[in-house]
Amino acid sequence: NAGVMQNPRHLVRRRGQEARLRCSPMKGHSHVYWYRQLPEEGLKFMVYLQKENIIDESGMPKERFSAEFPKEGPSILRIQQVVRGDSAAYFCASSPSAGQGSTGELFFGEGSRLTVL
Amino acid sequence: QKEVEQDPGPLSVPEGAIVSLNCTYSNSAFQYFMWYRQYSRKGPELLMYTYSSGNKEDGRFTAQVDKSSKYISLFIRDSQPSDSATYLCAMSGGNNRLAFGKGNQVVVIP
Repeated sequence: NAGVMQNPRHLVRRRGQEARLRCSPMKGHSHVYWYRQLPEEGLKFMVYLQKENIIDESGMPKERFSAEFPKEGPSILRIQQVVRGDSAAYFCASSPSAGQGSTGELFFGEGSRLTVL
Repeated sequence: QKEVEQDPGPLSVPEGAIVSLNCTYSNSAFQYFMWYRQYSRKGPELLMYTYSSGNKEDGRFTAQVDKSSKYISLFIRDSQPSDSATYLCAMSGGNNRLAFGKGNQVVVIP
């Protein structure tokens, strides 16, 4: 049973370009969470999604960032017009049901490291 | 004041020593408390989670929560070189959002 798969593992973008990060949850998991880890900072919650629904996006910056989790396919975190401050590791986690988002019984991927030049 | 404070200073201990890590927090609504281990360039993996105050033991690992002091701890007994990693505390108020500390890098020297 494959774990949470994130790609690309590393992404380099120039300022103003778009970044798309993909996350395939573990088989049987329909709840996905995105966290961002800035240099020298702890992981910060960004968004919580279920299939076709955004449940909580309170941690998402108001502009340029969006997330989706379609009925088919991976969850996508999209960052438009990237700036240097977006350079970070972006982690996706999944769970089979809603409660684990609070108890921390999540399975994390290995992260996507975005570098903005 | 940050919601979760974890002194990020690295910690080096000799093999077999006890590792002691702790976090403090400010949000009284937190009910769930976790410790994660993160190896370099990998994702966090859950070590233990505790609901409310009390102690929980799992093998060489013991987690303690003192809600009255807003203080949580993790102890690793008989530390091994394979325990060398970054340890993150995290907590939640039941809203499917985790608040993390910055993490402690632990090095166990053979």
